[in-house]
Amino acid sequence: EAGVAQSPRYKIIEKRQSVAFWCNPISGHATLYWYQQILGQGPKLLIQFQNNGVVDDSQLPKDRFSAERLKGVDSTLKIQPAKLEDSAVYLCASSLGRGVPYEQYFGPGTRLTVT
Amino acid sequence: GNSVTQMEGPVTLSEEAFLTINCTYTATGYPSLFWYVQYPGEGLQLLLKATKADDKGSNKGFEATYRKETTSFHLEKGSVQVSDSAVYFCALLTGGGADGLTFGKGTHLIIQP
Repeated sequence: EAGVAQSPRYKIIEKRQSVAFWCNPISGHATLYWYQQILGQGPKLLIQFQNNGVVDDSQLPKDRFSAERLKGVDSTLKIQPAKLEDSAVYLCASSLGRGVPYEQYFGPGTRLTVT
Repeated sequence: GNSVTQMEGPVTLSEEAFLTINCTYTATGYPSLFWYVQYPGEGLQLLLKATKADDKGSNKGFEATYRKETTSFHLEKGSVQVSDSAVYFCALLTGGGADGLTFGKGTHLIIQP
C-alpha cells in the first residue's frame, strides 16, 4: 500500500513570495491533517479535513495560510506572503477516520526555507 | 490548553543499555497517549499507544505505561540497539472533536556500538 505522498520535498523562497505544497493521502483515508514542524519542536496541527470539509483550523494563520481539499482526496497548503518564521517542515498525515482508533500516517514532509 | 513535556536530548547510550525517555503531559479530560518515532530520512511512525489509565503500550521491545496519577507516559526499552537511533516524540490526543495530535519537542536518541 502506498503511503502519504508529498511534494515538493524541499523548497527555498524569499520572504514575501508565495509557495504551495501538495499532499496525496493514502487511498480511502477520509481524514487529512497538515502539521507544521519548526526546527527543534514537535509538529503542530495547522488544519484538519474530513473528506472535503474543514474540521479544525483554529491554529492556521489565516491572514497568510490557506488550504483546500477539493473532491476529498488531494490537498494543497498555500502560504502567501511567506515570512522568515514560516521556515519549517510541513507534514501531511491521513487516517481512515477521526479519533483514537484511527492511526495517523505521516508523509515525508516538505522542508521550506524562507530567506 | 494541552501540552507535552519530554526530556531534552540528545540522549547517548551504549548498545544493550537500558533506555528511559521521560514524558509528562497536561490535558483536559482523559487523553490517549502515543509515542512516535522518526528514523533518519524517514517520516513519523507510530511506535505505541495507550488509551486509558494503567494501559501499557508495547512494540519492538519498547514499552510505556499510562500513569494518570503522575500524568506520565515514560518510554522504556531493556536493551537498545544501534538501529534504535532516532528521534522519539511523545504525543496526546484528547478527542471530543479535536483530532490533532499535541506533540512534545522530541528526544534525539543516539546508540553507540
